[in-house]
Amino acid sequence: QKEVEQDPGPLSVPEGAIVSLNCTYSNSAFQYFMWYRQYSRKGPELLMYTYSSGNKEDGRFTAQVDKSSKYISLFIRDSQPSDSATYLCLNSGGSNYKLTFGKGTLLTVNP
Amino acid sequence: DGGITQSPKYLFRKEGQNVTLSCEQNLNHDAMYWYRQDPGQGLRLIYYSQIVNDFQKGDIAEGYSVSREKKESFPLTVTSAQKNPTAFYLCASLRTVNTGELFFGEGSRLTVL
Repeated sequence: QKEVEQDPGPLSVPEGAIVSLNCTYSNSAFQYFMWYRQYSRKGPELLMYTYSSGNKEDGRFTAQVDKSSKYISLFIRDSQPSDSATYLCLNSGGSNYKLTFGKGTLLTVNP
Repeated sequence: DGGITQSPKYLFRKEGQNVTLSCEQNLNHDAMYWYRQDPGQGLRLIYYSQIVNDFQKGDIAEGYSVSREKKESFPLTVTSAQKNPTAFYLCASLRTVNTGELFFGEGSRLTVL
C-alpha cells in the first residue's frame, strides 16, 4: 500500500470558487502532512504543512488532518487563476527518508 | 542564493546512449533525492541518499544509477537499460527528516529520439 493516495483529477473551477483537494494516508506513525505546489515545467515548492491533527490556516489556504479517517485536505478559498498548478501531498515523520508523494491533483482556475 | 541547481534543463538523447543529469546543492543538506515525473503523473522516487557515500533505491530504480561522492552533488545516470526514459527529472534535498521539507531544483527534461 502506498504511503499516500491522491485523486489525480484534473479539477477545473471558476475563479472565486472554494477548492477542496484531498489525500488519504496509511502510516499513522508519520506526523507531518505536507502540501507542495508545482507550476507547469517547474520544481514543486512547499506550500504549507500541518503537524499531527487539526487545521492550519495561511491566508486563503487551509490544511486539515482527520486522523480518525486518515484523510488530509487542502482548501483554497476565493481561488485565483494564479492558483492553477499541480498540488502534491506528502506524509512524513520520524526517521523515514523514503519520501513518496501522491499522484498530484492538477487544478485549473478559470477567469 | 542557496538552492538546487540542475543541468542541463533540456536534453536530447538517442536510443542506446547513457546520459548523466547533474544536481548540485549549496544548502548544506545531508539527504538528496531524484524523482521522475511523467505527464499527468505525480513524482516517482528513483533513488535517494541520506548521506555521502550512501544511497538507496526508490520505487523505480531499474535502468538508473547514482553516486554520492560529495555532499553537494548527486548525479543521476539514465542508462540504455531504462526502457522509457523520456520524462521530467527532479532533484531535491531534504532540510530535516522529521518534517519532510524538500527543496527542489527546476528540473531536467530528457527526450529520447
